[in-house]
Amino acid sequence: GEDVEQSLFLSVREGDSSVINCTYTDSSSTYLYWYKQEPGAGLQLLTYIFSNMDMKQDQRLTVLLNKKDKHLSLRIADTQTGDSAIYFCAESMGNTGKLIFGQGTTLQVKP
Amino acid sequence: GAVVSQHPSRVICKSGTSVKIECRSLDFQATTMFWYRQFPKQSLMLMATSNEGSKATYEQGVEKDKFLINHASLTLSTLTVTSAHPEDSSFYICSAPGRQYEQYFGPGTRLTVT
Repeated sequence: GEDVEQSLFLSVREGDSSVINCTYTDSSSTYLYWYKQEPGAGLQLLTYIFSNMDMKQDQRLTVLLNKKDKHLSLRIADTQTGDSAIYFCAESMGNTGKLIFGQGTTLQVKP
Repeated sequence: GAVVSQHPSRVICKSGTSVKIECRSLDFQATTMFWYRQFPKQSLMLMATSNEGSKATYEQGVEKDKFLINHASLTLSTLTVTSAHPEDSSFYICSAPGRQYEQYFGPGTRLTVT
């Protein structure tokens, strides 16, 4: 079945770049998403990428998609302490609207 | 952007009672909404798809008689956890699709069953 994998933890220093990686299995995914979750809160959509794109940039965020390897990454430039959170990668199940989530990567930003 | 609300944000109930969680799309209509649950330090797992005007469709392993879903209008879906047990304690999150590619999530409801 569909599966999404992420590394569980990443620690960076303030001002550095963060790169969070994700692999997925469903080749029919239409969109791939990055969500941010702060403690006790819901999910905030950070960005998404359509499956026929290779890259998308949105201010400090850069998403790279390697469809051949089914690999997605999120790069956060100039990481700030406010970026500390759990980041979830998710793939859409075709056009159903359902999302399959990875386990989440906890990003720790040290001052 | 589009907003999805949930009510209540936190609820504590006794074992054996039922609790209702509401999910509302505040500035757009949603014929479909999704319910997820999230255990501590774990990912979100899709429970069911709520369909306006028809029955909900449940993911494999989710008991439809325990998790009752009603999509009462184009802006409201409710999830009722019936005869709750401590193992039902979790963070329940709903989502609603906006435009073709966007899924908007509610802030979540923390359910604690004592």
